[in-house]
Amino acid sequence: GQNIDQPTEMTATEGAIVQINCTYQTSGFNGLFWYQQHAGEAPTFLSYNVLDGLEEKGRFSSFLSRSKGYSYLLLKELQMKDSASYLCAVMDSNYQLIWGAGTKLIIKP
Amino acid sequence: ETGVTQTPRHLVMGMTNKKSLKCEQHLGHNAMYWYKQSAKKPLELMFVYNFKEQTENNSVPSRFSPECPNSSHLFLHLHTLQPEDSALYLCASSLDTGTPSYEQYFGPGTRLTVT
Repeated sequence: GQNIDQPTEMTATEGAIVQINCTYQTSGFNGLFWYQQHAGEAPTFLSYNVLDGLEEKGRFSSFLSRSKGYSYLLLKELQMKDSASYLCAVMDSNYQLIWGAGTKLIIKP
Repeated sequence: ETGVTQTPRHLVMGMTNKKSLKCEQHLGHNAMYWYKQSAKKPLELMFVYNFKEQTENNSVPSRFSPECPNSSHLFLHLHTLQPEDSALYLCASSLDTGTPSYEQYFGPGTRLTVT
């Protein structure tokens, strides 16, 4: 079966760095997405990785290792507004997105 | 504001009621999706439409009936629901379904409670 694993909840301090991991087992691979979802709001796109390596976008970076079935989202200089759920999703060989359950990130002052 | 709107935002219905959820996208996209989001569970893909044609139906019970009259509008018709159908129903759109890098844009969802 297809499976995406990510931690249920993480806590970090304002101004710090946090890394949210995602491991996957899917039928084929056509890229990995990270989305951010604030409570009561729509998920919004953060990043897309299809090749191995690190993609940097401002305070957020996303890393992919296809051989290990592993990705992480790195958030730097954390701000209170970064408190949200972070969803990892993999596009399989049928171009369907397989979703993780999300990681709730709590930022403390 | 993602360019995808959903109405109503909240809905409470009895098990014998019939109601419809509406989604509209203002992005010029050709693909639209219905997802179910339950607490602490992964997003569940329900239906996919590409150029108004249904391309996926992921074993969704017949009490959920989608309708896509054009590429900008998507409906989910509900009847004789069960309490376990209570969840957040999200609509999304993308340019199309065949290009992996095209991200999906989500609406804010309809919070459905079945009593």
